[in-house]
Amino acid sequence: EDQVTQSPEALRLQEGESSSLNCSYTVSGLRGLFWYRQDPGKGPEFLFTLYSAGEEKEKERLKATLTKKESFLHITAPKPEDSATYLCAVQGRSWGKLQFGAGTQVVVTP
Amino acid sequence: GAGVSQSPSNKVTEKGKDVELRCDPISGHTALYWYRQSLGQGLEFLIYFQGNSAPDKSGLPSDRFSAERTGGSVSTLTIQRTQQEDSAVYLCASSRGQGSSGNTIYFGEGSWLTVV
Repeated sequence: EDQVTQSPEALRLQEGESSSLNCSYTVSGLRGLFWYRQDPGKGPEFLFTLYSAGEEKEKERLKATLTKKESFLHITAPKPEDSATYLCAVQGRSWGKLQFGAGTQVVVTP
Repeated sequence: GAGVSQSPSNKVTEKGKDVELRCDPISGHTALYWYRQSLGQGLEFLIYFQGNSAPDKSGLPSDRFSAERTGGSVSTLTIQRTQQEDSAVYLCASSRGQGSSGNTIYFGEGSWLTVV
């Protein structure tokens, strides 16, 4: 069974204080690893898909990396608007079933 | 539309009543997904449609839940004889299809269901 564990559960950062979120996974036949951002009362907003170990993707202050066992989401010099819950999910043998982690709630204070 | 559209955005229903939740996927997307997010819980897979293939219903929690997709586009999730434990956000998502080029999965804003 596919499993995803995200850590930490919550993260409080000062504006400009860079940090990393972890997503550890076990999956049979990884098709893709997804990162989403979710604001309160909203649906998940797509950030990145990573397909193979060693791959990296960047978007503004966010950078996602992938190894065979985990993925990291690096937040560089965060701003208060980066406050959200960040969700990690893996897509294994079944195209339709994303297995989501519980998320990391990030709060960035001015 | 530009994104995945869901309706209603909020629904309060009495225990035992039936509810229907609607999803309009992004135009041209052949894959459609339903997920459920309960308070404080992670996203839980419900059902997956891909083109004309038989849907993957393996995530539906009971026979009170069903979903259909008409004309390869709009989908309706139906919950019969609602129970309080059905209270959750029901999220619909769509993607262009299978394969790495179609693997970006976009979510709607969700339908918030409260069973009283």
